[in-house]
Amino acid sequence: EIVLTQSPGTLSLSPGGRATLSCRASQSVTGGYLAWYQQRPGQAPSLLISGASSRATGIPDRFSGSGSGTDFTLTISRLEPEDFAVYFCQHYGSSPWTFGQGTKVEIK
Amino acid sequence: EVQLAESGGGLARPGGSLRLSCAASGFTFNTCAMSWVRQAPGKGLEWVSTINYSGSSTYYADSVKGRFTVSRDNSKSTLYLRMNSLRAEDTAIYYCAKGEYNYGFLFDRWGQGTLVTVSS
Repeated sequence: EIVLTQSPGTLSLSPGGRATLSCRASQSVTGGYLAWYQQRPGQAPSLLISGASSRATGIPDRFSGSGSGTDFTLTISRLEPEDFAVYFCQHYGSSPWTFGQGTKVEIK
Repeated sequence: EVQLAESGGGLARPGGSLRLSCAASGFTFNTCAMSWVRQAPGKGLEWVSTINYSGSSTYYADSVKGRFTVSRDNSKSTLYLRMNSLRAEDTAIYYCAKGEYNYGFLFDRWGQGTLVTVSS
């Protein structure tokens, strides 16, 4: 089983700031099958990034994903008020399809 | 527009049963894998189960294997999750999630969820 560890647990930033979120896998994520999801308070998760770096339909370009192997990063270049949320990474290449524990991006 | 609407949640006793449903619309249901993902109160996401587009293949997390059964009715565009032998640790919001066309375990649309509480 691939264990995904996200860091930091909480990121306190100001609107307009830059957020860098990490997702580290316990073994290589083959094929780059790594996704990022956003979950706003009281809402269901929504897909942001797939294939480690491909934005989902309608996702603004201030969101970018990078990485390969065991180390992946989600960057939000200029935080908008609606970006303050919890972000989860997930691998979808092999069973079981696990999620990271999440990083909360909060307003400083 | 893709819509996923879960129902069937509620209070169940330990050892009891519930059946969740997810009514889908806005896409060709019988071409997509479908999944259930749960989230315990204040916690992270846990993949629970997936069924392929035709219903011929099913997958379960170890935590629910042998107790939960996923199924689908493509004529009704509806996904189901039968939950037996419920435990307190099954308490969570259960989300229905649509699999991306080429990668069934990539969840490109989610419902709003239904809350399951297991308590005596």
